[in-house]
Amino acid sequence: AQTVTQSQPEMSVQEAETVTLSCTYDTSESDYYLFWYKQPPSRQMILVIRQEAYKQQNATENRFSVNFQKAAKSFSLKISDSQLGDAAMYFCAYRSPNTDKLIFGTGTRLQVFP
Amino acid sequence: KAGVTQTPRYLIKTRGQQVTLSCSPISGHRSVSWYQQTPGQGLQFLFEYFSETQRNKGNFPGRFSGRQFSNSRSEMNVSTLELGDSALYLCASSLDQANTEAFFGQGTRLTVV
Repeated sequence: AQTVTQSQPEMSVQEAETVTLSCTYDTSESDYYLFWYKQPPSRQMILVIRQEAYKQQNATENRFSVNFQKAAKSFSLKISDSQLGDAAMYFCAYRSPNTDKLIFGTGTRLQVFP
Repeated sequence: KAGVTQTPRYLIKTRGQQVTLSCSPISGHRSVSWYQQTPGQGLQFLFEYFSETQRNKGNFPGRFSGRQFSNSRSEMNVSTLELGDSALYLCASSLDQANTEAFFGQGTRLTVV
């Protein structure tokens, strides 16, 4: 069975600085998808970024980028130029092919200080 | 384009009662998944439906059931409610099983007293 581990329950960053959130996963599959979701106080899950395992290139979405290390089964999220609106819970998630079932990590609470 | 709509947003029920939660996916989306979110257990997968067929089921007791209608709307039902069923229930929809992006609703906050 696949598992997702987020070892940082809480992180904090100063506005305009850069922060990296860690995620590791365990799987025997060679093809899969990885995601970072953001959950603000409104509780709605918002997709931040996704990565297909077959792609070697790290995904980037504006200020958000990932460091995908397939051999190490690591998938970290880097947030550059942090903004107050980035404060939220961040969840790393894994998805096998041919299913919509997401396996989530336990989340990292990110605080952003002015 | 309307997003994923979950109703009701908040619900208070008594132990032993049953409850039905509704999820309307984004127009054109055929896949709907449900998740339970609690402080202790985090986000746990409940069910996945595609074209009215349950494709996956999480590790929950038989008191948890669901279904999907021909218009892709989905409902989940919890019978004989227990205090531990208090949670945020999230629904997500995607275009089809080949699509990699799931869009979430705002959830239904269920409190069992």
